[in-house]
Amino acid sequence: SYVLTQSPSVSVAPGQTAAITCGGNNIGSKSVHWSRQKPGQAPVLVVYDDSDRPSGIPERFSGSNSGNTATLTISRVEAGDEADYYCHVWDSRSNHVVFGGGTKLTVL
Amino acid sequence: QVQLVESGGGVVQPGRSLRLSCVASGFTLSPYGMHWVRQAPGKGLEWVAVMWYDGSDEYYADSVKGRFSISRDNPKNTLYLQMNSLRAEDTAVYYCARGVYSNGWYPDYWGHGTLVTVSS
Repeated sequence: SYVLTQSPSVSVAPGQTAAITCGGNNIGSKSVHWSRQKPGQAPVLVVYDDSDRPSGIPERFSGSNSGNTATLTISRVEAGDEADYYCHVWDSRSNHVVFGGGTKLTVL
Repeated sequence: QVQLVESGGGVVQPGRSLRLSCVASGFTLSPYGMHWVRQAPGKGLEWVAVMWYDGSDEYYADSVKGRFSISRDNPKNTLYLQMNSLRAEDTAVYYCARGVYSNGWYPDYWGHGTLVTVSS
């Protein structure tokens, strides 16, 4: 089955840029989506189809995807961005959604 | 606005059954695939099941295949998850999520979840 790998944690100072990566075999051939989950809350989609943003998501959130790595980039990080971030893809071989293990973003 | 409200969770003994419901509002269920996703306490997200927009197809995670069954009632704008032969490892918050098609069904809106606790 397809596997997505995320670093468990990323720390960044306010105002800096956070890069959260998601690794998978030839992930560049898939559409990657990113969801954010704050403690005690439901997940919220922040990037879809590699680099598009749903309405209401700030332009500070951007995504890229190439080769074996997809990246969620958060510019000018704010305290309110502190959350768990999950990448996910559709595995067309199994018709399953596959989630990465999640990355906890800590704002120092 | 888009809303998904899950219900039906609770405490259940191992081996017993439970049926979850998810009522959608703010949109019509019929054009969308629908997912169930769960999250065990302190753990990450785990995809459980998906049903095609018209109910024509459904797929399950290996961990629940043969025990769980997803269904939908489009006129009632409602999604269901029938969970049989429950195990302790099924303890989790269960979220329903709307699926948008783009090279597959990806979740774009999520409910707030319902907690299922399997314990004797």
